[in-house]
Amino acid sequence: NAGVTQTPKFRVLKTGQSMTLLCAQDMNHEYMYWYRQDPGMGLRLIHYSVGEGTTAKGEVPDGYNVSRLKKQNFLLGLESAAPSQTSVYFCASSSRDRGLNEQFFGPGTRLTVL
Amino acid sequence: AQSVSQHNHHVILSEAASLELGCNYSYGGTVNLFWYVQYPGQHLQLLLKYFSGDPLVKGIKGFEAEFIKSKFSFNLRKPSVQWSDTAEYFCAVNGYGGYQKVTFGTGTKLQVIP
Repeated sequence: NAGVTQTPKFRVLKTGQSMTLLCAQDMNHEYMYWYRQDPGMGLRLIHYSVGEGTTAKGEVPDGYNVSRLKKQNFLLGLESAAPSQTSVYFCASSSRDRGLNEQFFGPGTRLTVL
Repeated sequence: AQSVSQHNHHVILSEAASLELGCNYSYGGTVNLFWYVQYPGQHLQLLLKYFSGDPLVKGIKGFEAEFIKSKFSFNLRKPSVQWSDTAEYFCAVNGYGGYQKVTFGTGTKLQVIP
């Protein structure tokens, strides 16, 4: 099993450009999450999904959109990138089963917005 | 709303020293508690978790944590650290209430000096 994969690994954008980050998991997990990690701030939840076709806002959703058209994929979009969105983005997934609900993380995407 | 507080932001220890990292959470109901580790340049990995039962939880690489419900605490311990334990450690809480939203602490950077 590949677990959770993310593409791309690195990206540099200019202010105002758009891009989509792709997350895929092969564990048949119901829940998927997008976080951003910034120094001294830990992990902050951007958006999450509890199932195919459903998404919800997390702590810091502004400037991002998400879609979950397939159970295994969770896309994070930046419509008009800003320097404040320079960060490392992690995708994670987890099972609905409370006893198995630890989150599995992808390798991260390092995004720089100039 | 649930929250997590990690008291130590940066800890420096010599090899073979004992480690205890503090974690306190706030949530009024049943919780799952986690410790994740992030080695330099890598993604988060699960160290251990508390789901139910024995409040003393043993994880990988000799780590353990004790859930003290009356103190809302879930401190991480290791009797003797190694240089390879240098990493950032995150405590997380998942309040059990219909959907899974995990809240992470801001992390503790551990530096182990040989």
